[in-house]
Amino acid sequence: DTAVSQTPKYLVTQMGNDKSIKCEQNLGHDTMYWYKQDSKKFLKIMFSYNNKELIINETVPNRFSPKSPDKAHLNLHINSLELGDSAVYFCASSWTSGITGELFFGEGSRLTVL
Amino acid sequence: AQSVTQLDSQVPVFEEAPVELRCNYSSSVSVYLFWYVQYPNQGLQLLLKYLSGSTLVESINGFEAEFNKSQTSFHLRKPSVHISDTAEYFCAVSADNQGGKLIFGQGTELSVKP
Repeated sequence: DTAVSQTPKYLVTQMGNDKSIKCEQNLGHDTMYWYKQDSKKFLKIMFSYNNKELIINETVPNRFSPKSPDKAHLNLHINSLELGDSAVYFCASSWTSGITGELFFGEGSRLTVL
Repeated sequence: AQSVTQLDSQVPVFEEAPVELRCNYSSSVSVYLFWYVQYPNQGLQLLLKYLSGSTLVESINGFEAEFNKSQTSFHLRKPSVHISDTAEYFCAVSADNQGGKLIFGQGTELSVKP
């Protein structure tokens, strides 16, 4: 079984559309994250949730809205997609929101905005 | 705030040669340091980490990294690389006051040639 699974793996859409990426972890972790990896492979945190509570909210356009219905799921909804949103979005989870926890990453969702 | 610099974006080496991937960090507080590896079309996996104690840490597949506080470095080394080590390697840092946020370097593409 995949520990951290994301769907869809690939997403191609037009500018202006709204799309969602879903993430589920079966590791029993209490903290989940969204990271964005740009075309130069630079990784930047976007959000993190601990037990459904928003812990980290980086400077991200408010077109991006995370939602955590329970501690095993963290979804990312993006409104009014722009060309610059094209990237690979990684979901991750860890045991704790503390700094010593190893992050377990999903395989990524590659978003292409045309 | 913390930051991480990986000094080499690409490192090509021949199989069985030694390799060093360089990582420097900056921080005004005590840090925790990580190396993650990303194989093609996959998510990141933890390779090794320094939290405290011995400054030399090792992974199960022959990599090691040494925390050098005076030089603010955490370079990754392997005495003899294999083709299968070809991947992107990311150095990352976190700290007690960051709520679990990992700051990643720009990544180093290790390419092992036969």
